Amino acid sequence: GAVVSQHPSRVICKSGTSVKIECRSLDFQATTMFWYRQFPKQSLMLMATSNEGSKATYEQGVEKDKFLINHASLTLSTLTVTSAHPEDSSFYICSARDHRGYTGELFFGEGSRLTVL
Amino acid sequence: AQTVTQSQPEMSVQEAETVTLSCTYDTSENNYYLFWYKQPPSRQMILVIRQEAYKQQNATENRFSVNFQKAAKSFSLKISDSQLGDTAMYFCAFMKPYAGNMLTFGGGTRLMVKP
Repeated sequence: GAVVSQHPSRVICKSGTSVKIECRSLDFQATTMFWYRQFPKQSLMLMATSNEGSKATYEQGVEKDKFLINHASLTLSTLTVTSAHPEDSSFYICSARDHRGYTGELFFGEGSRLTVL
Repeated sequence: AQTVTQSQPEMSVQEAETVTLSCTYDTSENNYYLFWYKQPPSRQMILVIRQEAYKQQNATENRFSVNFQKAAKSFSLKISDSQLGDTAMYFCAFMKPYAGNMLTFGGGTRLMVKP
């Protein structure tokens, strides 16, 4: 099956610094990737839709200047949390759609746990 | 907008027994996809089963099967012969075709399989 890899799986940073999380589709090309945030014991909340070669579409309430998304190639999307604060600590998950055909399925990365001190 | 509701925040089942997780959704669409995803303690999201709304036959995948009631907008997941490895969060999800593959998730049900 299709594989999506996220890196890093865990990151700890100081308040005020920026952190970049990568989402890669390893064996398929993904024109669209999605970024989610998940708080403990809660569901996945869609943050933004990342489209290759164009600007990301952010969900209501998600600060685009805070969460920078870049989808520069068909296999890589990055989420940068800028000027991170403790309230940004969370589990971030990406998913990707295979551009070759519509299967109705998204493939998920392993997730990245961000802790801001 | 679509909404997905999972009314059971937590459930438990004895090993080898059967358990059913509930999911209801609200949509005005006639054609759509429904999914059940499993999120074990590792946090990796795993697709359990998928149902196309235009198919009347309920989807099955080994020990996992669904009861899809389109008119009632209900999509329950039945796990037969429960195993300890089935312990996880289970999320029901809705996808509208040709809308960018965006998933709408339910709140999740935490399932504990007891030995």
